[in-house]
Order: sequence, then structure tokens, then C-alpha cells
Amino acid sequence: NAGVTQTPKFRVLKTGQSMTLLCAQDMNHEYMYWYRQDPGMGLRLIHYSVGEGTTAKGEVPDGYNVSRLKKQNFLLGLESAAPSQTSVYFCASSYEILAGPSSYEQYFGPGTRLTVT
Amino acid sequence: AQTVTQSQPEMSVQEAETVTLSCTYDTSESDYYLFWYKQPPSRQMILVIRQEAYKQQNATENRFSVNFQKAAKSFSLKISDSQLGDAAMYFCAYRSEEGYGGATNKLIFGTGTLLAVQP
Repeated sequence: NAGVTQTPKFRVLKTGQSMTLLCAQDMNHEYMYWYRQDPGMGLRLIHYSVGEGTTAKGEVPDGYNVSRLKKQNFLLGLESAAPSQTSVYFCASSYEILAGPSSYEQYFGPGTRLTVT
Repeated sequence: AQTVTQSQPEMSVQEAETVTLSCTYDTSESDYYLFWYKQPPSRQMILVIRQEAYKQQNATENRFSVNFQKAAKSFSLKISDSQLGDAAMYFCAYRSEEGYGGATNKLIFGTGTLLAVQP
């Protein structure tokens, strides 16, 4: 199993450009999440999905859009990148909570370092 | 809303010694889960240990143990016999078990503690 993978690993964008980050998981997880990590601020939830075709806003959703057309993929889009979106982005996934406490662990991808100049 | 506070931005420990990382949280809920995640220089987030709030017994995983004080809303991580491979950023995280938060399995993270291990 590859677990959770993220594409690309690094990217540099100019202000105003757009891009899509791809997250894929092969664990048949129902839930998926996008976080951003900034120095001194920990991980903050951007958007999440509790199943194929569903998405919801997290703590810091402004400037981002997401889609979950297939269960195994969760895409994060930046329509018009801004320097404030320079960050490391993490995708995570987990089992449906009905599976019990052992399902509560979130499995993380390796991260994408995005720089917006 | 729940918050998680890690008041030690950086810590240092000698190899083979013991170190304790602090975490406090604020919540009005009675049922929840707490986690410690480790992020080494590779950036990969790794679950270290979890604690269920309704369990009074402190969780342990090999050299890692927690001191869970529910009344004080404190959840510290103790690393015994520290090894060079323990050097990493450590994040404390809270998972609500109630209402909508419980249904989405969302986590609230602290700001992290960077642990250095001196040989």
C-alpha cells in the first residue's frame, strides 16, 4: 500500500496563478482532509470530506476550493494564488467513524511545499 | 470552540534522558480523544499515542507515555530513554466526540514543540 500520496511535492507559483494539489489514498478511507502548516501555527484545517461527492469548509477555507469526485482522490485548488498561501499543505484520510475508536487515526501524506511569489 | 495550547516552542534533551512535553486544552465537552503526533524532518506525520478522555488510565506506547489530567485539561507526553530518532516536532491534537465534530473526525492541533536530542 502506498498509503496517502500527494502531488506535487514542491511548487513555486506567481501571484495570481492557479494550481491544483492532488491527494490520493489507497486505504479505502471514507474521510479526507486538507491542512496547511505554517510556522508557529500548527496544522489548520482548510476543507474536508466525509465521503465521495461531499465537501465542507474547515477553519481556513478562504481562497481554496476542493472536490471529491472519486472516493480515493481529494483535490485542493487555488484559483488565484496569493503570497499568504505560501505554506506546507498536508492531506490526510481516515476510516469512517462507525468503525470505532481505532478508526479515529488520521493518516497523513508527505506534504506539498508551496511558495507563492 | 475547543483550543489546544503547547506552551513550549522548543525543548532539548540529552540522549537516554527523559523529557516531558506539555499540552493543555480548553473544552466544555466531557467526551473526547487526545493525540500526540510526531513530525520528523521528513515532514511525515506519525501518530505516537492516543488517549480516550473517559479512560482514567494513562496511555503508554513503549517509551512514550502520557500524563492525562482531565480536571486540569492537561495532556503531557513523556519520552523515556530519549533517542536521536526522537528529534522532531511534536503536535498535540484534540478530537471532539460530541455532535457534529464527532461525526467528522476533525482534529484541532496545537502549535507544536520542536524537540532536539543531544548526543
